[in-house]
Amino acid sequence: NAGVTQTPKFRILKIGQSMTLQCTQDMNHNYMYWYRQDPGMGLKLIYYSVGAGITDKGEVPNGYNVSRSTTEDFPLRLELAAPSQTSVYFCASKLAGVTDTQYFGPGTRLTVL
Amino acid sequence: SQELEQSPQSLIVQEGKNLTINCTSSKTLYGLYWYKQKYGEGLIFLMMLQKGGEEKSHEKITAKLDEKKQQSSLHITASQPSHAGIYLCGADGRNGGSQGNLIFGKGTKLSVKP
Repeated sequence: NAGVTQTPKFRILKIGQSMTLQCTQDMNHNYMYWYRQDPGMGLKLIYYSVGAGITDKGEVPNGYNVSRSTTEDFPLRLELAAPSQTSVYFCASKLAGVTDTQYFGPGTRLTVL
Repeated sequence: SQELEQSPQSLIVQEGKNLTINCTSSKTLYGLYWYKQKYGEGLIFLMMLQKGGEEKSHEKITAKLDEKKQQSSLHITASQPSHAGIYLCGADGRNGGSQGNLIFGKGTKLSVKP
């Protein structure tokens, strides 16, 4: 099992550019999450999905979009990148139960200049 | 909304010393997770606590959830350089009607001097 994988590891964007952060899990988990982590801060939830075809907003969804066409993949789309989106992005997944453990990917470090 | 406060924010200890990190919640904890993060890496799951009074240990790390279920502590015995990193506590966000996401504290940065 590779677990949760994320690509790319690093990316620099110019203001106004767009990109997609990829996230894939091979554990057949139903729930998937996108968080962002700003320096010195905890993780904030951007979007989540409870299964293929079902997504919903988290605490900080503005400027992002997601889709979940398969169980394995949960890409995060940034449209019109802004400096405020400079952050480290983590994807996570878990099976389904309330007490199931969330497993995290290694993160994508994004800088918007 | 629920908030988690971790203390201390940072900690420098001599190798071999014991240390404790605290995580206090503004609301009842239904599930408390401890993760460790190293720079440039994802979050590594350490332990999960659910019941008040519960205590779990793995190698030299022990986590406890207090009886009133609003605070957890992480204790490291005989610290080693490999323990260095950022420790994050995360709470089951069901207080906010969530779908299983975690609410995180800001983290405690631990440095261990050889």
